[in-house]
Order: sequence, then structure tokens, then C-alpha cells
Amino acid sequence: EAGVAQSPRYKIIEKRQSVAFWCNPISGHATLYWYQQILGQGPKLLIQFQNNGVVDDSQLPKDRFSAERLKGVDSTLKIQPAKLEDSAVYLCASSFRLGGSTDTQYFGPGTRLTVL
Amino acid sequence: GESVGLHLPTLSVQEGDNSIINCAYSNSASDYFIWYKQESGKGPQFIIDIRSNMDKRQGQRVTVLLNKTVKHLSLQIAATQPGDSAVYFCAEGESNKLTFGGGTRVLVKP
Repeated sequence: EAGVAQSPRYKIIEKRQSVAFWCNPISGHATLYWYQQILGQGPKLLIQFQNNGVVDDSQLPKDRFSAERLKGVDSTLKIQPAKLEDSAVYLCASSFRLGGSTDTQYFGPGTRLTVL
Repeated sequence: GESVGLHLPTLSVQEGDNSIINCAYSNSASDYFIWYKQESGKGPQFIIDIRSNMDKRQGQRVTVLLNKTVKHLSLQIAATQPGDSAVYFCAEGESNKLTFGGGTRVLVKP
């Protein structure tokens, strides 16, 4: 079974530029998550989708971050404009179940973003 | 454990010995707990999970123990191997959402 795919793997931009990340979850997984992982810390949830609807975006800085999951499969996360503190690894994860009890989340390799 | 930024708590263990990694969680309503292994440059990799109606679960060379009374979770790795060197994260779950701890680095000495 193919895992969660993410691209690009690395991105270097200057502050105030924009950037987009792409995620393809495991086939058949209804729930998709975007996390931000700052060096030396655990992942922090940014946004959670169930199919193509947003379940939780309470920790997404909505003035600069946006995400969508059209057709309930692939997802993109965008930052515009980027700040220095956005330098982190952006992880995508997916899980099979729609809701209710917590299900195992499987992670992609992440995109390492460096903002100069 | 709590995050200390770049200075992750580190567990040094001799190859072949058993490792125990501890984690304190905060939410009494959490009903699901999970351990991930993260190697440099990779995403977190699922190791083992446990639901709140259990206090122990075993996998291949790994055991997770859950003590709900003191909100404590531990991961035991038997016969630690060089390939076990990584950062290990615990996470607690409620309503299909995970909250991660700060991570512990495991270094396996040959």
C-alpha cells in the first residue's frame, strides 16, 4: 500500500514570498491533517479535513495560511506571505475513519521550508 | 515529556539492552495513545498504539504501558538495535485529533 505522498521535499524562499505544499493521502483515507513541526518539537496540528470539509482549523494562522482539499482527496497548504517564523517541516497525515473515536494517523515525509 | 526546544531529552542505551521511554499526558478525556518514531529527515512512523480501556499492549519488540491514574505512558523497546536510534514522540488522542508531546531522542551505543 502506498503511503502519504508530499511535495516538494524542500523549499527555500525569502520572507514575504508565497509557497504551496501538496499532499496525496493514503487511498481511501477520509481524514487528512496538516501539521507544522518546528525543529526539536512535536508536530502541531494546523488543520483537519474530513473528506473535503474542514473539521478543525483553530490553530491555522488564517491571515497568511490557507488550505483546501478539493474532491476530498489531494490537499494543498499555502502560505502567503511567509514570515521567518514559518521555517519548519510541514507534515501531512491521513487516517481511515471519518470521526468518532481516534484512528491511527499515517504521516508523509514532510516538506522542509526555510524562510530567509 | 515537555518540549525543551532544540535540547531534546536524550536516552543513551547500549545495543542489546532494553529501552524505556516515558511520557506524561495532560487530558483525562484522551481515549487513544500512540507512539511514533521519527528519523532525521523523515516523517513520524507509527510504532504502536493503545486505547484507554487497556493498560498494556505488545508488538514486535515493543510494549506500551498506560497508567491512567497518573496520566503516564511508556514505551519499552526490547533488545535495542542501532536502527532504533531516532526521536520518539508520544501523542494523546480524543475525537480523532492528536496532541503530541515534545519527544525523546534515543541514541544506541554499539
